[in-house]
Amino acid sequence: GNSVTQMEGPVTLSEEAFLTINCTYTATGYPSLFWYVQYPGEGLQLLLKATKADDKGSNKGFEATYRKETTSFHLEKGSVQVSDSAVYFCALQTGANNLFFGTGTRLTVIP
Amino acid sequence: GAVVSQHPSRVICKSGTSVKIECRSLDFQATTMFWYRQFPKKSLMLMATSNEGSKATYEQGVEKDKFLINHASLTLSTLTVTSAHPEDSSFYICSAGTVSNQPQHFGDGTRLSIL
Repeated sequence: GNSVTQMEGPVTLSEEAFLTINCTYTATGYPSLFWYVQYPGEGLQLLLKATKADDKGSNKGFEATYRKETTSFHLEKGSVQVSDSAVYFCALQTGANNLFFGTGTRLTVIP
Repeated sequence: GAVVSQHPSRVICKSGTSVKIECRSLDFQATTMFWYRQFPKKSLMLMATSNEGSKATYEQGVEKDKFLINHASLTLSTLTVTSAHPEDSSFYICSAGTVSNQPQHFGDGTRLSIL
């Protein structure tokens, strides 16, 4: 079956610290992988995506690489800002257009 | 980019009331729309998938008579929570998709509070 396992939070970092949020997946076939971000009181926004092995998605300083050999899609950012405080969801999407989400990781960045 | 509008953003109503939530794709035609429910500090749970002009497909454990979904056009889907009770209080989020393996576009969600 399809599932996403995501690092549990919450994660608290100081501004300019390095961020890693781990995500591994189980899937049948060849899924696309996504990171979504949810700011307080809002819906989800697509942060980045990768559609095949070894693709690197990047946006707003965040990066994640689709690693088929380790079935992982870890999210990284070299220097976080207070404005990055949000909940981050790793997700996979199959050809059937269904999204499977991880449990979400709450990130709080303190000045 | 693609925009999905969800309305209302917040609803507070009495137990027994039926509540309708609208999800519109503003600048594209959504062949498929999805309805999710999010519990506090939890991930999104897919409730149902709807395709324009056909009946929605509900996930296991979701009562279709309780959560009525209508997808009357390629730009509009509605979720009606019938005879809502306090346990239905939650954050409901819709998303719209076009072709397979392309990202879904999410609405901003509706916070439903039943007193």
